[in-house]
Amino acid sequence: GAGVSQSPSNKVTEKGKDVELRCDPISGHTALYWYRQSLGQGLEFLIYFQGNSAPDKSGLPSDRFSAERTGGSVSTLTIQRTQQEDSAVYLCASSYRLGGRQPQHFGDGTRLSIL
Amino acid sequence: AQTVTQSQPEMSVQEAETVTLSCTYDTSESDYYLFWYKQPPSRQMILVIRQEAYKQQNATENRFSVNFQKAAKSFSLKISDSQLGDAAMYFCAYLYNNNDMRFGAGTRLTVKP
Repeated sequence: GAGVSQSPSNKVTEKGKDVELRCDPISGHTALYWYRQSLGQGLEFLIYFQGNSAPDKSGLPSDRFSAERTGGSVSTLTIQRTQQEDSAVYLCASSYRLGGRQPQHFGDGTRLSIL
Repeated sequence: AQTVTQSQPEMSVQEAETVTLSCTYDTSESDYYLFWYKQPPSRQMILVIRQEAYKQQNATENRFSVNFQKAAKSFSLKISDSQLGDAAMYFCAYLYNNNDMRFGAGTRLTVKP
């Protein structure tokens, strides 16, 4: 595709429900990143993938958060038993490979609202 | 821990004039990358400019340039000949170790016609 695609664009759900957010990176990009942006704040790094592997999961806010990537392409970020503090915009980015010389291309994000 | 500070929550500039957005960061590393990203209301983060810490020359991209002061850990963005389309949130970011990018809280830039 032309860019990073995220779905859904917006998600409203009740507290306690599970949600799954999807990211489809640019074709051929091996690195994929998830960020969270709370209202009026900068981005908080959550997790990155090199291929299908996520070597460091320490950025995930709690054990209710998990992420996976299959086939070196699509990634899903899952939040179980959602809480109101999980409300934020979740942004995904991809790059050709890891490293600062490779610009990260961002999707439009998923706005998650927990009622 | 590496932190990024943007001390200006909001800035405004007259169309066609020049504005400078400030950014400071804290790190003990010597080799890293710095970025400015623009986020319009569409939410998509757009890379404006990038600086590699080992390069002393300031990066420039058309109307956008940076003033990188490594010793002072300062990385300001200058926008020349401001245009209405420059209005957005601007985020300064620091990248070390290839994957963990730290962002500042952002500066909202308003461009007045």
